[in-house]
Amino acid sequence: GDSVTQMEGPVTLSEEAFLTINCTYTATGYPSLFWYVQYPGEGLQLLLKATKADDKGSNKGFEATYRKETTSFHLEKGSVQVSDSAVYFCALSDGYGNNRLAFGKGNQVVVIP
Amino acid sequence: DAGVIQSPRHEVTEMGQEVTLRCKPISGHDYLFWYRQTMMRGLELLIYFNNNVPIDDSGMPEDRFSAKMPNASFSTLKIQPSEPRDSAVYFCASSRTSGRSDEQYFGPGTRLTVT
Repeated sequence: GDSVTQMEGPVTLSEEAFLTINCTYTATGYPSLFWYVQYPGEGLQLLLKATKADDKGSNKGFEATYRKETTSFHLEKGSVQVSDSAVYFCALSDGYGNNRLAFGKGNQVVVIP
Repeated sequence: DAGVIQSPRHEVTEMGQEVTLRCKPISGHDYLFWYRQTMMRGLELLIYFNNNVPIDDSGMPEDRFSAKMPNASFSTLKIQPSEPRDSAVYFCASSRTSGRSDEQYFGPGTRLTVT
């Protein structure tokens, strides 16, 4: 079935550093791709999304480009802040009308002042 | 809109007791999802509904778990009897049918502790 793979382990970096979180997917159709963020003690909220190949989703300084040739949707931010400390989930929707999302395992990001 | 509402936010109970978690989806959303999140297993989809009908409950761990959606504005997830391994954060999410890119809106979660 459709699935999402995120890089293993937490990410710790200093304020103003460049952030990349890798996400690759396996899907039989043409999925939509999402990044969700979960701040401590809260539910997941949508950060950005892309619905077709070469689309770039962006929000709050974060960007991700839908790469069909590499089946990837890596999340990037040029200069992180302490407030970006959270867990980030990559997800896909298979687009077959069931609104179901397949989530990756998530990456804990810790930004140190 | 108030967003997805879950209650209670925290629940502490003893092993063997019945636990009921509640969810009110966003008005107009016709899909409702129940997830469980733990450190060991991450985010797991337990069950989801479309127009109040359960579509896929293959993620429900065992018969101790049951979920209902009696109407479009209310759903419950019940655990009877509860066990310590059920301790987790349970999320409810909702979405609407309108194409391929519908996001799910998550509630704040219910943190369940079974002692």
